[in-house]
Amino acid sequence: EAGVTQSPTHLIKTRGQQATLRCSPISGHTSVYWYQQALGLGLQFLLWYDEGEERNRGNFPPRFSGRQFPNYSSELNVNALELEDSALYLCASSLADYSNQPQHFGDGTRLSIL
Amino acid sequence: QKEVEQNSGPLSVPEGAIASLNCTYSDRGSQSFFWYRQYSGKSPELIMFIYSNGDKEDGRFTAQLNKASQYVSLLIRDSQPSDSATYLCAVNFYAGNQFYFGTGTSLTVIP
Repeated sequence: EAGVTQSPTHLIKTRGQQATLRCSPISGHTSVYWYQQALGLGLQFLLWYDEGEERNRGNFPPRFSGRQFPNYSSELNVNALELEDSALYLCASSLADYSNQPQHFGDGTRLSIL
Repeated sequence: QKEVEQNSGPLSVPEGAIASLNCTYSDRGSQSFFWYRQYSGKSPELIMFIYSNGDKEDGRFTAQLNKASQYVSLLIRDSQPSDSATYLCAVNFYAGNQFYFGTGTSLTVIP
């Protein structure tokens, strides 16, 4: 069974540009979560998508947005990139029974802002 | 504010010893608790999850949950150098299905 896959592995951008990160969940998983992990910091929750809808978002500005496609894959868009957006962005997926289901993580996209 | 707190460490134990990692959380309504292991530069890997009070064992790992005292712990028996990593505690507070992660405890197993 394939795990959560993310692309690209690395992404280098400059301030003000826009970045798009992609995620494919484990087969059968309908929920997709996005996290930001800045160097030396913990995981910060960004967004949760389920059945194509945004269900919850963390304390991030609106320039962080995303969507989920009918095949449950997802993309995260970050507009007007700032230096502090440099981080590892992790995608996770879980089964639809959210309450007790663990999240399984992809390998992440490392975003570097120059 | 729902919070999950871990001792950041670093925690060092000799090979073969028991490593004990602790996590406290702030919400009595929480029902799901998870332990992840994260090697440097890698993504978190699920080790165990626990829902009920008491102990849950899986190989060398034992998770312990005490809802009344609001803590969850992870014991690693017969620690190996390959166990050296950062261990993340995660709690699902249900409302909004949002996982809250602790900042992690760094564990080093000394050969």
